[in-house]
Amino acid sequence: SNVLTQPPSVSVAPGQTARITCGGNNIVFEGVHWYQQEPGQAPVLVVYDDSDRPSGIPERFSGSISGKTATLTISRVEAGDEADYYCQVWDFSSDRPVFGGGTKLTVL
Amino acid sequence: QVQVVQSGAEVKKPGSSVKVSCKASGDSFNNDAFSWVRQAPGQGLEWVGRVIPLFDTVDYAQRFRGRVTITADGSTSTTHMELSSLRSEDTAVYYCATEGGAGMRTHWFDSWGQGTLVTVSA
Repeated sequence: SNVLTQPPSVSVAPGQTARITCGGNNIVFEGVHWYQQEPGQAPVLVVYDDSDRPSGIPERFSGSISGKTATLTISRVEAGDEADYYCQVWDFSSDRPVFGGGTKLTVL
Repeated sequence: QVQVVQSGAEVKKPGSSVKVSCKASGDSFNNDAFSWVRQAPGQGLEWVGRVIPLFDTVDYAQRFRGRVTITADGSTSTTHMELSSLRSEDTAVYYCATEGGAGMRTHWFDSWGQGTLVTVSA
């Protein structure tokens, strides 16, 4: 089965760059999407199809792929970026979505 | 972009059923696909199933098959998710979300409802 692996937590100081990874065997073929979820809120799409940003999402959020690892990069981190972040792919073999376990971003 | 609004919180007894609704705005209901995703307290996101109104097709995650029914009503632009034989482990926030990437091999969730808390307790 398709499994996506994320680190449970990432910490970064304000103004620095946060990098959240998502590992998976087929990730390069499947298109990776990223969601931000603030406490008590619904998830919000911040990056889709590896590196595209929905309208209204700041340019500070970017996505990339290298080998079996996708990375969500948040530049110039702000206190308001503190949230849980989830990666997701669409598994072609089962035609169903798969989510990573989530990463809690802490802004120090 | 389609907006979706869900029904309110529910408290249910073990063994009973719950039906959660999700109403979409705009005129594209029959051109969209809708998924249901749940999140247990303190846990991650888990896909439950989806419906594509245009093709009248549904698909469910293996672990919910036999207990979940997802339907779509084009006349009200509403999709419903019914989960039966509830147990305490089904306590979660249930989200409805529209899918982006139509015509592509990959799909994402670009518009989410506010979530519906379902509490299963004796």
